Amino acid sequence: AQKITQTQPGMFVQEKEAVTLDCTYDTSDPSYGLFWYKQPSSGEMIFLIYQGSYDQQNATEGRYSLNFQKARKSANLVISASQLGDSAMYFCAMREGNFGNEKLTFGTGTRLTIIP
Amino acid sequence: GAGVSQSPSNKVTEKGKDVELRCDPISGHTALYWYRQSLGQGLEFLIYFQGNSAPDKSGLPSDRFSAERTGGSVSTLTIQRTQQEDSAVYLCASSPWARAQYYGYTFGSGTRLTVV
Repeated sequence: AQKITQTQPGMFVQEKEAVTLDCTYDTSDPSYGLFWYKQPSSGEMIFLIYQGSYDQQNATEGRYSLNFQKARKSANLVISASQLGDSAMYFCAMREGNFGNEKLTFGTGTRLTIIP
Repeated sequence: GAGVSQSPSNKVTEKGKDVELRCDPISGHTALYWYRQSLGQGLEFLIYFQGNSAPDKSGLPSDRFSAERTGGSVSTLTIQRTQQEDSAVYLCASSPWARAQYYGYTFGSGTRLTVV
């Protein structure tokens, strides 16, 4: 079974609109962390936002917010007021395990294209 | 340097040759990951180090792949008898320590390996 599932291989969104990128996860570890990374065409991996499994509130970082629904094992990324520079691949990732034996697993990604 | 450094940035090698890829993590970062990313694909986990130990080698695709880390710092990924299917971008990431207290991993810019 997939640990991280991103069901949207590609999305096209009009500039200035909000966009939601889906991510569901599967783990039996009570303590885990969820990450979103952006990978532009240059190839670098840019850390966007983090949500801990015990965090009570949804994480926010500027225009990025994470819609964390623990019971549904969902961690969707919301980008408000999209910009042309948001066009990139977006990866959801999960860290689980204990110190000295952790694992960071990535989803297959969603390619987001912002249309002017 | 301030970031994760990987060398070489590009490597073209003939099928059957051995290659060594180097990762120099951020100073003080104890956790180090290697991933492989084929063209247009997600990140495939290869190996994780905590200090000099590699508790999880499950992602190495075959016994032609090996990795080591010395002094809790530099790591080398070695691919013996390279095959064309080994062509990919090899990414390294590091973090200061494990568990949910840390908010992200820093990635290097990768080594693009082409086997001809």
